Amino acid sequence: NAGVTQTPKFQVLKTGQSMTLQCAQDMNHNSMYWYRQDPGMGLRLIYYSASEGTTDKGEVPNGYNVSRLNKREFSLRLESAAPSQTSVYFCASSDRAEKLFFGSGTQLSVL
Amino acid sequence: AQKVTQAQTEISVVEKEDVTLDCVYETRDTTYYLFWYKQPPSGELVFLIRRNSFDEQNEISGRYSWNFQKSTSSFNFTITASQVVDSAVYFCALSRNQFYFGTGTSLTVIP
Repeated sequence: NAGVTQTPKFQVLKTGQSMTLQCAQDMNHNSMYWYRQDPGMGLRLIYYSASEGTTDKGEVPNGYNVSRLNKREFSLRLESAAPSQTSVYFCASSDRAEKLFFGSGTQLSVL
Repeated sequence: AQKVTQAQTEISVVEKEDVTLDCVYETRDTTYYLFWYKQPPSGELVFLIRRNSFDEQNEISGRYSWNFQKSTSSFNFTITASQVVDSAVYFCALSRNQFYFGTGTSLTVIP
């Protein structure tokens, strides 16, 4: 079982560059999430999608955009990367908020 | 508003000692879930346990046990006879319609 698959695993960007993090789940979950993890700050929600066709801001949405392409896929886009966006990013999915399934994470460095 | 507090930022114990990780939560909802996740040095997030708000029965799984007390809004996690493989960051979380994470407790087990 693949579960939640996110790509890439590692990425280095220069300030101002753009990139898209891809996430797909094969569990037929309605809800999908993007989190960032920074030292001492735990997991902070960037955006989430409660169902196909809907997206909502989380705690730290500034500088990011998302697309819920279909039920399986939820992408996160950085339009103009900044050093403050250096972080580890996790995609996750769930059904009725009963359990979160996480991807393996993306380590992003913005120079 | 929902909030999860893990006051212990870092804990170090010597192998075979018992250790308790504290988790205190805030919510006005009567129906919610509580979780513990483990993040080993490899970085992935591993689900450990889920409890719903109506089930205050303590749970034991091998060397792991969880104490859920609604009266004190706590969901503490105890590792008995700790091992080096228990070294990780542990996150407590609460879910209603979204997931809310604590900032994590970094546990180091010294051989």
